[in-house]
Amino acid sequence: SAVISQKPSRDICQRGTSLTIQCQVDSQVTMMFWYRQQPGQSLTLIATANQGSEATYESGFVIDKFPISRPNLTFSTLTVSNMSPEDSSIYLCSVLALRADTQYFGPGTRLTVL
Amino acid sequence: TQLLEQSPQFLSIQEGENLTVYCNSSSVFSSLQWYRQEPGEGPVLLVTVVTGGEVKKLKRLTFQFGDARKDSSLHITAAQPGDTGLYLCAGETPKSNYQLIWGAGTKLIIKP
Repeated sequence: SAVISQKPSRDICQRGTSLTIQCQVDSQVTMMFWYRQQPGQSLTLIATANQGSEATYESGFVIDKFPISRPNLTFSTLTVSNMSPEDSSIYLCSVLALRADTQYFGPGTRLTVL
Repeated sequence: TQLLEQSPQFLSIQEGENLTVYCNSSSVFSSLQWYRQEPGEGPVLLVTVVTGGEVKKLKRLTFQFGDARKDSSLHITAAQPGDTGLYLCAGETPKSNYQLIWGAGTKLIIKP
């Protein structure tokens, strides 16, 4: 398994501002993903974070709104840009560990946009 | 579009009762995973099933993968308040490149 930490754990932001969420893993992983989740509901994949190259975004998500970085095998950031109240959600980082075929999740970042 | 239908979406029962959660699809999965999530935390993997007909047990939880690998169930025996949480199934298809197809989730409440 892998131990994943996210910062911040929660934040309340003003409309029009941006927030960067950090995801740190305690071991090298092959793949890192960013999800969005409304409380009590299922997960929606935003993008796959690729090391050293542009992230791969799912339908409905674009780089200008959700820029992602992954400078190495253990760290990634997701920025939620020009936020609106509709961006209020839980943002989760997950990883696929080396020699594993299952995903492990961080604790999530609960974002509220006023 | 690949779908994974999970039911029920909400279940509230008394402590000691049994329950079953279902995930069904028309797609074949190379593996299917069950997660449990508590408020303020990320989903935690409970089990992965990969073989058609496979049954795995985790204490009072029994997981089954359909023979055709299109469906799965989670059965909880003698539910306890500590079982309360959001249960999610997620399937990986042979060509998905490790991306998962997620069920809608089952919010389970066990009343003492």
